[in-house]
Amino acid sequence: EAGVAQSPRYKIIEKRQSVAFWCNPISGHATLYWYQQILGQGPKLLIQFQNNGVVDDSQLPKDRFSAERLKGVDSTLKIQPAKLEDSAVYLCASSLLRTEVGYTFGSGTRLTVV
Amino acid sequence: GEDVEQSLFLSVREGDSSVINCTYTDSSSTYLYWYKQEPGAGLQLLTYIFSNMDMKQDQRLTVLLNKKDKHLSLRIADTQTGDSAIYFCAETPLRDDKIIFGKGTRLHILP
Repeated sequence: EAGVAQSPRYKIIEKRQSVAFWCNPISGHATLYWYQQILGQGPKLLIQFQNNGVVDDSQLPKDRFSAERLKGVDSTLKIQPAKLEDSAVYLCASSLLRTEVGYTFGSGTRLTVV
Repeated sequence: GEDVEQSLFLSVREGDSSVINCTYTDSSSTYLYWYKQEPGAGLQLLTYIFSNMDMKQDQRLTVLLNKKDKHLSLRIADTQTGDSAIYFCAETPLRDDKIIFGKGTRLHILP
């Protein structure tokens, strides 16, 4: 089966610009997660979707970050405006069920804000 | 609270065993995981253990769970150069299904 696809692979932007990341989960996976991994740290959950509904966005900085999952398949994560501290790898993951053990992660998008 | 702690670095000679340790604070955790991350790659689920188990073995990997001390370890037997990576300890609390990660242990293999 195809894995979790993410694009772009890398992105460099200036602070205060906007950026969007795209994720295509494994076909049929109802649950989708966005994680932020700052250099030297473990991934931190930003938002969790179940189909096209938000389950948990308590760690999402809503003043600048937004995410959507229209039609319950692909998802986009947007940052507007970006700050230097947003430099990180943004990982998307999906699972068939919320109770599934572990998730399948994509390779991530590495964002550098200069 | 939710917190997963692990040492940041470990150096091991090729052929020796590597032991990576982790402590966690949430006693209600249902699953505990070890993920591997190679440079530029995503997270790969290596193995996991359910909280009612105390040991799990899978080829070169042995996971030990001490629930009383909230301590998890990953032993890699006969460490190879391909094992060089960052290893993340992680947990899933009982009350939800999200995965909480530690900061990762960078495993360096000495020739």
